[in-house]
Amino acid sequence: KAGVTQTPRYLIKTRGQQVTLSCSPISGHRSVSWYQQTPGQGLQFLFEYFSETQRNKGNFPGRFSGRQFSNSRSEMNVSTLELGDSALYLCASSLGGQLYEQYFGPGTRLTVT
Amino acid sequence: SQQGEEDPQALSIQEGENATMNCSYKTSINNLQWYRQNSGRGLVHLILIRSNEREKHSGRLRVTLDTSKKSSSLLITASRAADTASYFCATARGGVRDMRFGAGTRLTVKP
Repeated sequence: KAGVTQTPRYLIKTRGQQVTLSCSPISGHRSVSWYQQTPGQGLQFLFEYFSETQRNKGNFPGRFSGRQFSNSRSEMNVSTLELGDSALYLCASSLGGQLYEQYFGPGTRLTVT
Repeated sequence: SQQGEEDPQALSIQEGENATMNCSYKTSINNLQWYRQNSGRGLVHLILIRSNEREKHSGRLRVTLDTSKKSSSLLITASRAADTASYFCATARGGVRDMRFGAGTRLTVKP
């Protein structure tokens, strides 16, 4: 079974721009979660999508948004980029049950200059 | 905010030795999971242990959970250079939103 894939793997943007990251979950997984990982804050939960609906949301500003398509693929968008948005963005998929093992993609390294 | 706190923050051992990492948490949990992350890459799920379980094994990995002390440990036996990575514990109470990752233990296994 193919793993979770994320595109692009690396991205450099300037302040004020917007960016869209993509995640393709493992086939059959309906839950997709997004995380931001930085050296200072560690791994922080952004949001979770399940069957095209946002099911959970972390404590991030409205500049961070996402969506999920009918094939479970998900996109994350960050508008009006700030220097502090530089991070590794990880996507994880799971079957969506309560005892969820999450399978992570390789991440997208976003650098904002 | 992070709930799990791994200890130690960094650990350096020789190949063949055992490595023990600890995780402490503050609130009640439904389950606890351990993940491994190689530098700058995604996390790999290692083991999930439920709150009503005390010990679990997977290959060279052994995880224990003590809910009375709100702590867990991950033991890697006969370590290999390929085990060099950061190890995170993640606690969960309900949905994914409640999942909390610790800051991680950086393990270096010297050949």
